[in-house]
Amino acid sequence: AQSVTQPDIHITVSEGASLELRCNYSYGATPYLFWYVQSPGQGLQLLLKYFSGDTLVQGIKGFEAEFKRSQSSFNLRKPSVHWSDAAEYFCAVGSGNQFYFGTGTSLTVIP
Amino acid sequence: DGGITQSPKYLFRKEGQNVTLSCEQNLNHDAMYWYRQDPGQGLRLIYYSQIVNDFQKGDIAEGYSVSREKKESFPLTVTSAQKNPTAFYLCASIGRRQGMGTEAFFGQGTRLTVV
Repeated sequence: AQSVTQPDIHITVSEGASLELRCNYSYGATPYLFWYVQSPGQGLQLLLKYFSGDTLVQGIKGFEAEFKRSQSSFNLRKPSVHWSDAAEYFCAVGSGNQFYFGTGTSLTVIP
Repeated sequence: DGGITQSPKYLFRKEGQNVTLSCEQNLNHDAMYWYRQDPGQGLRLIYYSQIVNDFQKGDIAEGYSVSREKKESFPLTVTSAQKNPTAFYLCASIGRRQGMGTEAFFGQGTRLTVV
């Protein structure tokens, strides 16, 4: 069965520090992979996605993610975090019209 | 611009009442989904519809009902049978973009509170 695991429920980083949010998935074939961000009381906004080609994907707001097939991972990274990056981040796996979401990682940014 | 519209943004329900949350999309997507979000529990699938006049139960369908009479619309009714309806509800449509694969598009959500 398909599943998505985000092992970190909550992460705190200092402004300007680097960030890595972890995502592991279980899927039989090469899936479509996504990262979404959610600000409080808002819907989900797509940060980036991978569906083929280069395994290092660039997204909006300076985020990137790397698909590692051997590790079944799709970790999200940002070299320098801004206070406005504080939000909830969701990793998702898509296949056809089915989507499976992780439970989310809450990011706190401290000055 | 194409997108998904959820209304209302805030909704209050009295005990024993049914309430309906609206979700409309103009993306021409066949598939639409309803999720419930509670703190610390991520997104849980309530119902989904892959085509007009057809819908399937998700993981937490009890106490909810849906209809899909039009491609653009997928309203969710929270019935009095749902004992703990206070939550944030998200609607999504899923479709393909030319050469870009599948993507999920979300509305801005409806926060339902029982009073």
